[in-house]
Amino acid sequence: EVQLVESGGGLVQPGGSLRVSCAASGFTFNSFAMNWVRQAPGKGLEWISYISSRSNTIYYAASVRGRFTISRDNAKNSLYLQMNSLRAEDTAVYYCARVSGSYFDAFDIWGRGTLVIVSS
Amino acid sequence: DIQMTQSPSSLSASVGDRVTITCRASQSISNYLNWYQQIPGKTPKLLIYAAYSLLSAVPSRFSGSGSGTEFTLTISSLQPEDFATYYCQQSYTTPWTFGQGTKVEIK
Repeated sequence: EVQLVESGGGLVQPGGSLRVSCAASGFTFNSFAMNWVRQAPGKGLEWISYISSRSNTIYYAASVRGRFTISRDNAKNSLYLQMNSLRAEDTAVYYCARVSGSYFDAFDIWGRGTLVIVSS
Repeated sequence: DIQMTQSPSSLSASVGDRVTITCRASQSISNYLNWYQQIPGKTPKLLIYAAYSLLSAVPSRFSGSGSGTEFTLTISSLQPEDFATYYCQQSYTTPWTFGQGTKVEIK
């Protein structure tokens, strides 16, 4: 079964750091680009970062650029998001999402998300 | 950045109704437009890519159309399992952007 499972969310103080992870299974992870998308409570979806299959291309949304770092370990079938200088507005469910190789770069597989709460 | 604007933001409809949601892009995105469904408490699910191509597991009552800057998602006969929030998303250029969502509620 094709699956993405996020982990590492939790409560962190403003200004703190957290790393969330996404474990992939059921497909050839090193053949697909990946994204992180977040959703603040009761709000819509916000794309925040992209990494190509071999990590040679990386993009960030302006809202997280300079604070968040995306990375992947293809040997471990894992995707990561290192989040520094966290703010209250970073509170959200963080989803990892696969970029389809066939569907016009749509996000065809999503994890169930991990909740990050930034609060003192 | 390309802005995606959906209308309406919410709608109430009955089972069996025909429902249409519109998505407008602030500049042309060709047909790089995707639609997602998010049932409350669940993860987003890709329904339609490239403006009108249905994923194989998606019921045929869903359809998409449009190109350039204006797109529509139509549900021809609303079913109980279709009550959800629907998001459009452009995959034409980074930063990829989503519409604000359209919540389809039971009348």
